[in-house]
Amino acid sequence: VQLVQSGGELKKPGESLKISCEGSGYTFTNYWIAWVRQMPGKGLEWMGVIHPDSYPIYSPSFRGQVAISADKSTRTAYLQWSRLKASDTAMYYCARQGCGGDCYSDYWGQGTLVTVSS
Amino acid sequence: SYEVTQPLSVSVALGQTATITCGGNNIGSKSVHWYQQRPGQAPVLVIYRDTNRPSGIPERFSGSNSGNTATLTISSAQAGDEADYYCQVWDSTTAFGGGTKVTVL
Repeated sequence: VQLVQSGGELKKPGESLKISCEGSGYTFTNYWIAWVRQMPGKGLEWMGVIHPDSYPIYSPSFRGQVAISADKSTRTAYLQWSRLKASDTAMYYCARQGCGGDCYSDYWGQGTLVTVSS
Repeated sequence: SYEVTQPLSVSVALGQTATITCGGNNIGSKSVHWYQQRPGQAPVLVIYRDTNRPSGIPERFSGSNSGNTATLTISSAQAGDEADYYCQVWDSTTAFGGGTKVTVL
């Protein structure tokens, strides 16, 4: 099982961004993909989760701030911003999750560092 | 939203036992999962559903959950166990504890 995330990004405030997470080594449609934020020097924050055949479920803290999507034909999940802010600077991890609710994440991607600075 | 609290730091002598707590209202009625995050690395699942170890995780790691406290115990602590540890709970949404930094002396 592997989750491979796209590379680090340096963006300006107000720009848009879409980062990706490609799963391999397992049946992609049998699991959900979660996104987790880690701001510099801080803890983990669960952002939301998506099943490749369904709609995303967002944490109340992130609903309306980001968009989560998935494409089962390419075995890839995405995390997207329409207008970045400096406060979006963080490491973002994707993780495989067994369900959309009370489940744990057994495999994690390597992380994508997003830096937003003018 | 459901809140879970962890101590900021725990120190343990090499070869001794470290205990990391995760507090929450009636957390014993919920499933708790634990992750280890070494510096500069992605998190790794070490305990799931209170007491279960994924394959490849040493038996030195164990978990329990009762009342208002879940606990991760690291027996015979090694230098490689130095890391941040996070508990995770679901209560209508997923919540992580703030993390505990474990230092092995």
